[in-house]
Amino acid sequence: EAGVAQSPRYKIIEKRQSVAFWCNPISGHATLYWYQQILGQGPKLLIQFQNNGVVDDSQLPKDRFSAERLKGVDSTLKIQPAKLEDSAVYLCASSRFLAGGQETQYFGPGTRLLVL
Amino acid sequence: AQSVTQLGSHVSVSEGALVLLRCNYSSSVPPYLFWYVQYPNQGLQLLLKYTTGATLVKGINGFEAEFKKSETSFHLTKPSAHMSDAAEYFCAVTLGTYKYIFGTGTRLKVLA
Repeated sequence: EAGVAQSPRYKIIEKRQSVAFWCNPISGHATLYWYQQILGQGPKLLIQFQNNGVVDDSQLPKDRFSAERLKGVDSTLKIQPAKLEDSAVYLCASSRFLAGGQETQYFGPGTRLLVL
Repeated sequence: AQSVTQLGSHVSVSEGALVLLRCNYSSSVPPYLFWYVQYPNQGLQLLLKYTTGATLVKGINGFEAEFKKSETSFHLTKPSAHMSDAAEYFCAVTLGTYKYIFGTGTRLKVLA
Protein backbone atom coordinates (compact mmCIF):
# COMPACT_ATOMS: atom_id res chain seq x y z
CA GLU A 1 0.00 0.00 0.00
CA ALA A 2 1.10 3.54 -0.61
CA GLY A 3 2.55 5.36 2.37
CA VAL A 4 1.86 8.82 3.75
CA ALA A 5 2.62 11.44 1.12
CA GLN A 6 3.80 14.95 1.89
CA SER A 7 4.69 17.93 -0.21
CA PRO A 8 6.75 19.93 -0.68
CA ARG A 9 9.80 18.12 0.68
CA TYR A 10 11.74 21.33 1.21
CA LYS A 11 10.77 24.96 1.58
CA ILE A 12 12.78 28.09 2.21
CA ILE A 13 10.96 31.31 3.05
CA GLU A 14 11.69 34.61 4.72
CA LYS A 15 10.24 35.49 8.08
CA ARG A 16 6.76 36.98 8.01
CA GLN A 17 5.92 35.09 4.82
CA SER A 18 3.28 32.38 4.75
CA VAL A 19 3.72 28.74 3.84
CA ALA A 20 1.48 25.69 3.45
CA PHE A 21 2.19 21.99 3.67
CA TRP A 22 0.10 19.18 2.26
CA CYS A 23 -0.39 15.63 3.51
CA ASN A 24 -2.22 12.65 2.05
CA PRO A 25 -2.56 9.82 4.57
CA ILE A 26 -2.66 6.10 3.91
CA SER A 27 -5.93 5.15 2.26
CA GLY A 28 -8.58 4.30 4.81
CA HIS A 29 -6.80 5.82 7.76
CA ALA A 30 -9.22 7.87 9.79
CA THR A 31 -6.73 9.60 12.05
CA LEU A 32 -4.17 12.14 10.89
CA TYR A 33 -1.44 13.86 12.90
CA TRP A 34 0.86 16.82 12.29
CA TYR A 35 4.14 16.92 14.20
CA GLN A 36 6.88 19.53 14.43
CA GLN A 37 10.42 18.19 14.75
CA ILE A 38 13.00 20.81 15.62
CA LEU A 39 16.63 19.85 15.03
CA GLY A 40 17.95 17.76 17.88
CA GLN A 41 14.52 17.07 19.35
CA GLY A 42 11.85 14.44 19.06
CA PRO A 43 8.63 15.11 17.18
CA LYS A 44 6.04 17.19 18.99
CA LEU A 45 2.35 16.77 18.22
CA LEU A 46 0.75 19.92 16.83
CA ILE A 47 -2.70 18.74 15.90
CA GLN A 48 -4.67 15.56 15.47
CA PHE A 49 -7.73 14.90 13.33
CA GLN A 50 -10.24 12.08 13.53
CA ASN A 51 -11.86 12.08 10.09
CA ASN A 52 -12.47 15.81 9.53
CA GLY A 53 -12.80 16.76 13.20
CA VAL A 54 -10.06 18.08 15.48
CA VAL A 55 -9.28 15.80 18.41
CA ASP A 56 -6.38 17.71 19.92
CA ASP A 57 -4.81 21.03 18.97
CA SER A 58 -3.58 22.01 22.40
CA GLN A 59 0.02 22.49 21.24
CA LEU A 60 -0.77 24.30 18.00
CA PRO A 61 0.26 27.99 18.09
CA LYS A 62 -3.09 29.16 16.89
CA ASP A 63 -2.03 32.76 16.40
CA ARG A 64 0.03 31.71 13.39
CA PHE A 65 -0.63 28.05 12.64
CA SER A 66 -3.80 26.59 11.16
CA ALA A 67 -4.72 23.19 9.81
CA GLU A 68 -7.68 21.64 8.09
CA ARG A 69 -8.89 18.31 6.84
CA LEU A 70 -12.07 19.27 5.09
CA LYS A 71 -13.09 15.98 3.48
CA GLY A 72 -11.57 13.70 6.05
CA VAL A 73 -8.75 12.61 3.75
CA ASP A 74 -5.87 14.91 2.93
CA SER A 75 -4.84 17.82 5.11
CA THR A 76 -3.02 21.13 4.92
CA LEU A 77 -0.99 22.88 7.60
CA LYS A 78 -0.40 26.60 7.22
CA ILE A 79 1.91 29.04 8.95
CA GLN A 80 1.18 32.73 8.63
CA PRO A 81 3.32 34.69 9.36
CA ALA A 82 6.38 32.49 9.78
CA LYS A 83 9.01 33.13 12.44
CA LEU A 84 12.62 32.06 12.57
CA GLU A 85 11.82 29.53 15.29
CA ASP A 86 9.41 27.73 12.96
CA SER A 87 12.37 26.25 11.12
CA ALA A 88 11.84 22.53 11.56
CA VAL A 89 10.71 19.36 9.85
CA TYR A 90 6.94 19.01 9.71
CA LEU A 91 5.86 15.42 9.81
CA CYS A 92 2.48 14.05 8.93
CA ALA A 93 1.36 10.68 10.26
CA SER A 94 -1.77 8.59 10.01
CA SER A 95 -3.31 5.62 11.76
CA ARG A 96 -6.32 3.46 11.07
CA PHE A 97 -8.35 4.87 13.91
CA LEU A 98 -8.15 6.55 17.24
CA ALA A 99 -7.41 3.70 19.58
CA GLY A 100 -6.10 3.31 23.08
CA GLY A 101 -2.52 4.11 22.24
CA GLN A 102 -1.82 0.77 20.63
CA GLU A 103 -2.44 1.88 17.11
CA THR A 104 0.70 2.31 15.05
CA GLN A 105 1.27 5.70 13.48
CA TYR A 106 2.75 5.70 9.98
CA PHE A 107 4.87 8.71 9.13
CA GLY A 108 5.45 10.56 5.90
CA PRO A 109 8.91 11.76 4.79
CA GLY A 110 8.33 15.24 6.19
CA THR A 111 8.66 18.78 4.90
CA ARG A 112 11.85 20.56 5.88
CA LEU A 113 11.17 24.27 6.44
CA LEU A 114 13.87 26.89 6.71
CA VAL A 115 12.82 30.40 7.71
CA LEU A 116 15.40 33.08 6.98
CA ALA B 1 3.08 13.58 33.65
CA GLN B 2 4.58 11.02 31.35
CA SER B 3 8.02 11.53 29.85
CA VAL B 4 10.72 9.69 27.97
CA THR B 5 14.46 9.94 28.49
CA GLN B 6 16.95 8.63 25.99
CA LEU B 7 20.44 8.44 27.46
CA GLY B 8 23.11 9.38 24.97
CA SER B 9 22.29 11.62 22.05
CA HIS B 10 25.08 9.95 20.05
CA VAL B 11 26.21 6.33 20.19
CA SER B 12 29.02 4.80 18.15
CA VAL B 13 29.59 1.09 17.70
CA SER B 14 31.82 -0.99 15.48
CA GLU B 15 30.28 -3.06 12.74
CA GLY B 16 29.39 -6.46 14.21
CA ALA B 17 29.27 -5.17 17.79
CA LEU B 18 26.28 -5.11 20.11
CA VAL B 19 23.92 -2.16 19.77
CA LEU B 20 22.33 -0.89 22.99
CA LEU B 21 20.17 2.23 22.94
CA ARG B 22 18.67 3.25 26.25
CA CYS B 23 15.16 4.48 26.95
CA ASN B 24 13.60 5.19 30.33
CA TYR B 25 10.08 6.39 30.83
CA SER B 26 8.10 8.02 33.55
CA SER B 27 4.53 6.90 33.96
CA SER B 28 2.06 6.29 36.73
CA VAL B 29 0.17 3.67 34.75
CA PRO B 30 1.30 0.86 32.44
CA PRO B 31 2.51 2.47 29.24
CA TYR B 32 2.59 1.47 25.64
CA LEU B 33 6.13 1.82 24.31
CA PHE B 34 7.52 2.23 20.81
CA TRP B 35 10.84 2.45 19.04
CA TYR B 36 11.03 4.29 15.73
CA VAL B 37 13.97 4.71 13.38
CA GLN B 38 14.57 7.74 11.16
CA TYR B 39 16.97 7.58 8.24
CA PRO B 40 18.31 10.84 6.80
CA ASN B 41 15.66 12.89 5.05
CA GLN B 42 12.98 10.32 5.76
CA GLY B 43 10.05 9.98 8.10
CA LEU B 44 9.90 7.72 11.13
CA GLN B 45 9.52 3.98 10.67
CA LEU B 46 8.23 1.70 13.41
CA LEU B 47 10.82 -0.80 14.64
CA LEU B 48 8.77 -2.44 17.37
CA LYS B 49 6.19 -1.79 20.05
CA TYR B 50 5.13 -3.09 23.43
CA THR B 51 1.49 -3.00 24.43
CA THR B 52 0.72 -6.00 26.63
CA GLY B 53 1.89 -9.58 27.00
CA ALA B 54 5.44 -10.74 26.44
CA THR B 55 7.94 -8.21 27.72
CA LEU B 56 10.59 -9.11 25.15
CA VAL B 57 9.51 -7.66 21.85
CA LYS B 58 11.12 -8.50 18.53
CA GLY B 59 11.03 -6.01 15.71
CA ILE B 60 12.29 -5.54 12.21
CA ASN B 61 15.91 -5.62 11.07
CA GLY B 62 16.99 -7.84 13.98
CA PHE B 63 16.17 -5.35 16.72
CA GLU B 64 14.49 -6.25 19.97
CA ALA B 65 13.56 -4.48 23.19
CA GLU B 66 12.61 -5.60 26.66
CA PHE B 67 10.03 -3.88 28.82
CA LYS B 68 11.24 -3.83 32.43
CA LYS B 69 8.60 -2.37 34.68
CA SER B 70 10.80 -2.39 37.78
CA GLU B 71 13.43 -0.34 36.00
CA THR B 72 10.95 1.72 33.93
CA SER B 73 13.07 0.93 30.91
CA PHE B 74 12.61 -0.17 27.33
CA HIS B 75 16.13 -0.47 25.93
CA LEU B 76 16.67 -1.35 22.28
CA THR B 77 19.27 -3.95 21.34
CA LYS B 78 20.70 -5.69 18.31
CA PRO B 79 23.35 -8.38 18.64
CA SER B 80 25.43 -7.34 15.65
CA ALA B 81 25.47 -3.87 14.14
CA HIS B 82 25.40 -3.37 10.40
CA MET B 83 26.41 -0.28 8.49
CA SER B 84 22.82 0.15 7.36
CA ASP B 85 21.73 0.59 11.00
CA ALA B 86 23.22 4.08 11.07
CA ALA B 87 20.24 6.34 11.73
CA GLU B 88 18.44 8.20 14.48
CA TYR B 89 16.33 6.20 16.88
CA PHE B 90 13.38 7.52 18.87
CA CYS B 91 11.66 5.99 21.85
CA ALA B 92 8.03 6.98 22.42
CA VAL B 93 5.40 6.33 25.06
CA THR B 94 1.65 6.60 25.26
CA LEU B 95 -0.60 6.03 28.26
CA GLY B 96 -3.52 4.44 26.53
CA THR B 97 -4.27 7.58 24.61
CA TYR B 98 -3.40 8.56 21.11
CA LYS B 99 -0.74 11.07 22.14
CA TYR B 100 2.81 9.91 21.59
CA ILE B 101 5.51 11.47 23.76
CA PHE B 102 8.85 11.13 21.99
CA GLY B 103 12.32 11.13 23.43
CA THR B 104 14.96 13.43 22.03
CA GLY B 105 16.49 10.69 19.94
CA THR B 106 19.80 8.83 19.75
CA ARG B 107 21.94 9.04 16.65
CA LEU B 108 23.67 5.73 15.99
CA LYS B 109 26.94 5.70 14.12
CA VAL B 110 28.37 2.38 12.90
CA LEU B 111 32.11 2.28 12.39
CA ALA B 112 33.70 0.06 9.77
